[in-house]
Amino acid sequence: SQQGEEDPQALSIQEGENATMNCSYKTSINNLQWYRQNSGRGLVHLILIRSNEREKHSGRLRVTLDTSKKSSSLLITASRAADTASYFCATGRVQGAQKLVFGQGTRLTINP
Amino acid sequence: DAGVIQSPRHEVTEMGQEVTLRCKPISGHDYLFWYRQTMMRGLELLIYFNNNVPIDDSGMPEDRFSAKMPNASFSTLKIQPSEPRDSAVYFCASRGEGRGQETQYFGPGTRLLVL
Repeated sequence: SQQGEEDPQALSIQEGENATMNCSYKTSINNLQWYRQNSGRGLVHLILIRSNEREKHSGRLRVTLDTSKKSSSLLITASRAADTASYFCATGRVQGAQKLVFGQGTRLTINP
Repeated sequence: DAGVIQSPRHEVTEMGQEVTLRCKPISGHDYLFWYRQTMMRGLELLIYFNNNVPIDDSGMPEDRFSAKMPNASFSTLKIQPSEPRDSAVYFCASRGEGRGQETQYFGPGTRLLVL
């Protein structure tokens, strides 16, 4: 069963705008990760946030985690055409943390 | 490091044929994962290995699927016999052991089409 559910399923914005994607999950987690997938490619890791962290930054990426609401958000600031991709959240559970459970992803399109 | 290597990149076969997908993980990684991605079901974990030993194969769809990891640098996923519903992109991923090594590194995938 899917652990993470991304929202929205698809997002289309203009270049330069900020993009926000959300992820909700069901069970207790050890960490939550965000991955990007360009069309026809494998997934690429973007950022990891642990269950005892609330916010993390990496370049233009900002991730928040609210364990009380079992939700996370990924913010991409000043979007670029190259950010067009699908974005997936993945959760590492407290038990069996070695494996990740991926959501269905958000398809992000940046219009020039 | 060349990253996770998968072969073939594309495979077209006829229903009933045997299909073997191959994966070479990143050197030094202790975990290897096989995933399947389809539009309908998204990204599903099929099986994962730790130090060449299968740990969790609960995602393997049925007995037609089997996976092996004879050594630390090679794994195979076999489908016998293949069916059209097996058409998907199959990814292999690997990661290291312990805290700070939770990131999974994905290969480019094998796009399988069963006619």
